[in-house]
Amino acid sequence: DIQMTQSPSSLSASVGDRVTITCRASQGISNYLAWYQQEPGRVPKLLIFLASTLQSGVPSRFSGSGSGTDFTLTISSLQPEDVATYYCQSYNIALRGTFGQGTKVEI
Amino acid sequence: EVQLVESGGGLVQPGGSLRLSCAASGFTFSNFWMTWVRQAPGKGLEWVANIKEDGSEKKYVDSVKGRFTTSRDNAEKTLYLQMNSLRAEDTAVYYCAVGWGYFEHWGQGTLVTVSS
Repeated sequence: DIQMTQSPSSLSASVGDRVTITCRASQGISNYLAWYQQEPGRVPKLLIFLASTLQSGVPSRFSGSGSGTDFTLTISSLQPEDVATYYCQSYNIALRGTFGQGTKVEI
Repeated sequence: EVQLVESGGGLVQPGGSLRLSCAASGFTFSNFWMTWVRQAPGKGLEWVANIKEDGSEKKYVDSVKGRFTTSRDNAEKTLYLQMNSLRAEDTAVYYCAVGWGYFEHWGQGTLVTVSS
């Protein structure tokens, strides 16, 4: 199975900061990667799919990049409502899905 | 509007069984793979199992293989997860989600607690 490793596991930043979270796959996954945001006590929310496609309704300060094994989620200007845990997820119809361990973002 | 409503969670002793259900509405259920994802208290998300539109293909994470079985009733628009030989480490909120890849639509989850 593919393993997904996120870093850092947590971070603290200020409002307006640029925040970057990385996700590394144990083998190449092309661009079959999604990012989710999960606020405390809430259901995960899809932010990005196909590594860089922004889900409808998601603020443009969120962006994703990468292909193969290395991926990045960027929040261009951190807002108070962005406090949450962020997860990457690889997907492939022939394999089982795998989530990263999560990155907790605090202000 | 897509709606997914899980039910069937609760407290069960180690070694026991539970069957979770996920009632779907607002989309053509029989046209979509469905997936189970779980989240242990205070922990991250874990992909558990998925099932093809017609039920002919199923995949499971290694930790539940041989103990959990997913199935579906397309006429009733319901997804199931039969969980046997439950262990303490199966304690989690169990979510159903639409699709096999990335998940736009999730249920609210049902809590399964395995404890004596």
